[in-house]
Amino acid sequence: SQQGEEDPQALSIQEGENATMNCSYKTSINNLQWYRQNSGRGLVHLILIRSNEREKHSGRLRVTLDTSKKSSSLLITASRAADTASYFCATDTGGSYIPTFGRGTSLIVHP
Amino acid sequence: DVKVTQSSRYLVKRTGEKVFLECVQDMDHENMFWYRQDPGLGLRLIYFSYDVKMKEKGDIPEGYSVSREKKERFSLILESASTNQTSMYLCASRQLAEETGELFFGEGSRLTVL
Repeated sequence: SQQGEEDPQALSIQEGENATMNCSYKTSINNLQWYRQNSGRGLVHLILIRSNEREKHSGRLRVTLDTSKKSSSLLITASRAADTASYFCATDTGGSYIPTFGRGTSLIVHP
Repeated sequence: DVKVTQSSRYLVKRTGEKVFLECVQDMDHENMFWYRQDPGLGLRLIYFSYDVKMKEKGDIPEGYSVSREKKERFSLILESASTNQTSMYLCASRQLAEETGELFFGEGSRLTVL
């Protein structure tokens, strides 16, 4: 069963705008990760945030984590057409550290 | 550069055939995973392996088996393929869980069972 659920399922924006997608999860986590998947390809790791962290940045990416609300957000600033992809959050819990993925957010950035 | 290689990008098989999906990583990673991805369902874990000759069932192991005889190779086996196993299969590897949670994925194997 899915631990994390992304929202929205689909997002369509213009180049230059910011894109925000959210992930909610059900049980306490060790860490939360965000991945990107271009159409028909494998997933690529974007960023990992640990349960004791609240915010991380990587280039145009900003990730926040609110463990009290069991949610995370991924912000892509100044989006580009090349950011068009599906974005997944993955959480792991307990001692096994096995990542469980959500269903993903499909982002389309129009040139 | 780290690399996870899946042997076949596209396969077409017939119902009842035995299917082997091969995955090789060159990063000396301990952990390896097989997920399947279906539209609207995201990624679901089939099996994972902590180390050589070790395997654990994931969320949807029915109809699948795995083999890990060497550290770098993790094979997914469909003993008797069925049409509901038509899917994208993704292999991933990871260093020890306590050191980093990042998964490295292969490009995927798209299997069609007729």
